[in-house]
Amino acid sequence: DIVMTQTPLSLSVTPGQPASISCKSSQSLLHSDGKTYLYWYLQKPGQSPQLLIYEVSSRFSGVPDRFSGSGSGTDFTLKISRVEAEDVGVYYCMQGIHLPPWTFGQGTKVEIK
Amino acid sequence: EVQLVESGGVVVQPGGSLRLSCAASGFTFDDYAMHWVRQAPGKGLEWVSLISWDGGSTYYADSVKGRFTISRDNSKNSLYLQMNSLRAEDTALYYCAKVIWFGELLGPFDPWGQGTLVTVSS
Repeated sequence: DIVMTQTPLSLSVTPGQPASISCKSSQSLLHSDGKTYLYWYLQKPGQSPQLLIYEVSSRFSGVPDRFSGSGSGTDFTLKISRVEAEDVGVYYCMQGIHLPPWTFGQGTKVEIK
Repeated sequence: EVQLVESGGVVVQPGGSLRLSCAASGFTFDDYAMHWVRQAPGKGLEWVSLISWDGGSTYYADSVKGRFTISRDNSKNSLYLQMNSLRAEDTALYYCAKVIWFGELLGPFDPWGQGTLVTVSS
């Protein structure tokens, strides 16, 4: 199974400051079709996870443009350009190429200072 | 509005059985593959199972293979998870989730339901 490793596991950010989360996969997530099947989810406190980013860098419908994804192969990053109070929660990366199983990172908890 | 509502979670004894349901609305249910994902209390996300739009293809995590069965009734816009031989480690909030791409097995999931809690304890 593909292992997804996120760092850091927790992050405390001042509102208006940037934040960055790293996700590394144990194998390349680049498919022969040219797409890279790496996704980012946010689970806000008391809520279900919601999709933020698909295929490394494409924002899902309704996701603010302060969220951006980058990376390739096995190394990926989620960036929040200016953290807002509503961005608190746990962020998960997930791989969707070496299946089954679909596998998630351990999660990164983002808090506001 | 796309909506997924899970039900059926209860407290069950080890070795017992349970069937979870997920009622879907707001989209053409039989056009989309569906997943079950679980989250143990205070823990991260663990994928459990996937079923194709027509029910013809199913996939399971090794941790549940042979004990859980995913199914769907497209006439009722409903997804199910039959859980047998339950263990303490199956205790979790179980979410159903929709694949975002029409007709695809691959792809990310959204939305997710609110989850239904299964507790396996004597």
